Amino acid sequence: RKEVEQDPGPFNVPEGATVAFNCTYSNSASQSFFWYRQDCRKEPKLLMSVYSSGNEDGRFTAQLNRASQYISLLIRDSKLSDSATYLCVVSGGYNKLIFGAGTRLAVHP
Amino acid sequence: EPEVTQTPSHQVTQMGQEVILRCVPISNHLYFYWYRQILGQKVEFLVSFYNNEISEKSEIFDDQFSVERPDGSNFTLKIRSTKLEDSAMYFCASSDSASAQPQHFGDGTRLSIL
Repeated sequence: RKEVEQDPGPFNVPEGATVAFNCTYSNSASQSFFWYRQDCRKEPKLLMSVYSSGNEDGRFTAQLNRASQYISLLIRDSKLSDSATYLCVVSGGYNKLIFGAGTRLAVHP
Repeated sequence: EPEVTQTPSHQVTQMGQEVILRCVPISNHLYFYWYRQILGQKVEFLVSFYNNEISEKSEIFDDQFSVERPDGSNFTLKIRSTKLEDSAMYFCASSDSASAQPQHFGDGTRLSIL
């Protein structure tokens, strides 16, 4: 089983749509969870940390289910600028990050 | 907003040559990392560094790789004898604490081995 597994997509959605990404992780001892976004050939940029109680940042909502080892990201009212690859990232061991392969999102007019 | 900076942005090197990739982490950060991303693949952890020593490394980080913090600001990754399969994007990252805190990434060095 992959350490962090994501649907590769691509998700092609119109502007204004709501889109949800899912992620599962294999290490039940993982303590920290993040969503990063990566534009083509650029560095990963932190989108948001994910907390057990769930958290929201504007149009973005992240959820964590530790029992199922499942993380989700919901994007509401999609913008053209949201087009990117979304990386599910989990802490592994003391201080390394384990990345999923990413889910590609394409928002069209 | 403070950022991690990396140089050069693109490095082209002949197979077998040594290469040094440079990074300046965010100034008050104490934890430093190198990751790599082969074209079309996921980001992979290479090494973490704290208090002037390696705290963790992956199986990719073999004897050909080394890291150093030669002064108070720079953090370098050296590959002693490059191979074709070392061609990738190399990202430096830093954080102000371990574990719970997110890591901030530099914009990467594209390494091309000929």
